[in-house]
Formats: sequence, structure tokens, C-alpha cells
Amino acid sequence: GAVVSQHPSWVICKSGTSVKIECRSLDFQATTMFWYRQFPKQSLMLMATSNEGSKATYEQGVEKDKFLINHASLTLSTLTVTSAHPEDSSFYICSALQVVGNQPQHFGDGTRLSIL
Amino acid sequence: DAKTTQPNSMESNEEEPVHLPCNHSTISGTDYIHWYRQLPSQGPEYVIHGLTSNVNNRMASLAIAEDRKSSTLILHRATLRDAAVYYCILRDVRFGGGYQKVTFGIGTKLQVIP
Repeated sequence: GAVVSQHPSWVICKSGTSVKIECRSLDFQATTMFWYRQFPKQSLMLMATSNEGSKATYEQGVEKDKFLINHASLTLSTLTVTSAHPEDSSFYICSALQVVGNQPQHFGDGTRLSIL
Repeated sequence: DAKTTQPNSMESNEEEPVHLPCNHSTISGTDYIHWYRQLPSQGPEYVIHGLTSNVNNRMASLAIAEDRKSSTLILHRATLRDAAVYYCILRDVRFGGGYQKVTFGIGTKLQVIP
């Protein structure tokens, strides 16, 4: 089945650090990638939707200057958490949609981000 | 976007069938019904999807009501590895290119009892 690789799987860093998370679709081309955030015992919250070659669309309340998204190719999207603070600690998950047909979303395994 | 409602939690005995319900009374004619599941500390995993007819795959079966206002995910023999949160969502087929955002509800937490 379709595979989405997300890296790193966990990060621990100091407050003020910027952290980059990569999301790759390994065996299909993804025109659209989604970034979610999930707090403990809560559901996935959509942060932004990115389409290859264009600017990401952010959900209300998500700071675009804080969470930089780049979707430069059909197989790679990155999320950079800039100047991270403890309240940014969360589980970040990416998801990708295939180009053709009514295909389901495929998700990465998530990145556990802990800001000290 | 059309919403879905699911029970917060369910229990099943190991090796017994499990029927996970989902209500989507405001579903539109172009909405596909998708099911995902999420194991602890992992990203969601695709399970199955369908439009009108019942669907089967190696993981599960999807039974869709005739009026499409509800559906049921069926795990034929629950195992301990099936303990997860199961999400039922709707995706509009008109947005196959991916311009539609999809909202995840709380889902159903399935507990499998040995």
C-alpha cells in the first residue's frame, strides 16, 4: 500500500530553536499534503493544506509565520516550527493525497515534538 | 463539510466480531465514507472507504445503509492489535484533487478484551 514517511519521529530541543519536519510520499505522487497537530487524548486538528508549487492554506488560528510549510515537489513537504516554545510541544502528523482518482489519505507516523 | 457522529468508546472480546457505527445524516450524494484507525503514538492508518455499496478488504468490511445516512465498520474477528481509535470521515469526490479539508472527530476508542 501507499507509504508516507515522516522524519524525525521525535525531537527534543530547547525553547527558541527552529525544528524542521519532513514528509515524503514514497511510492506515489501527492499533489496535496496536509499537516495536523494532535494533543494528548484529542483528535487530529488540521493546521494547513499544501498543494505542490503553491502557498499553503492555513486554518484559522494557525500562525503562518510560526509554522512554515514548503511543498516543493510531488513527493516532499516540510513543516518548520520556528522559534519553538513549550506550548508548541505536540504530536505533528502529515498526510498525503495521490494525484489521480478518489484515493484515501495516507498518513505519516507522526513526529513527537518536545520543547524544553 | 458534512459531519459524522460516533460513540466515544466500545469494547469487544478478542476473536469476536466488532461493529463500529457512524452516523452521517447530512451526507451529500458526492461524499465518500472513509474509515481510518489510529494506534497509540502513530499516525492514522487507512482502513476502508465506499460510496454506496458495501465494501470488503483484507482489514475490514464496510456496510453502508441504503439511505447512506449511516455506516458500520465491521472487524470480523477482533484481535488485540485492533485496539485503536477509529475515525469515520466524509470526503467529497468532487474534490479528488485534494482541495477539500477533512475534519476528524473524536472517533471511537475500541478496547479489545483478551
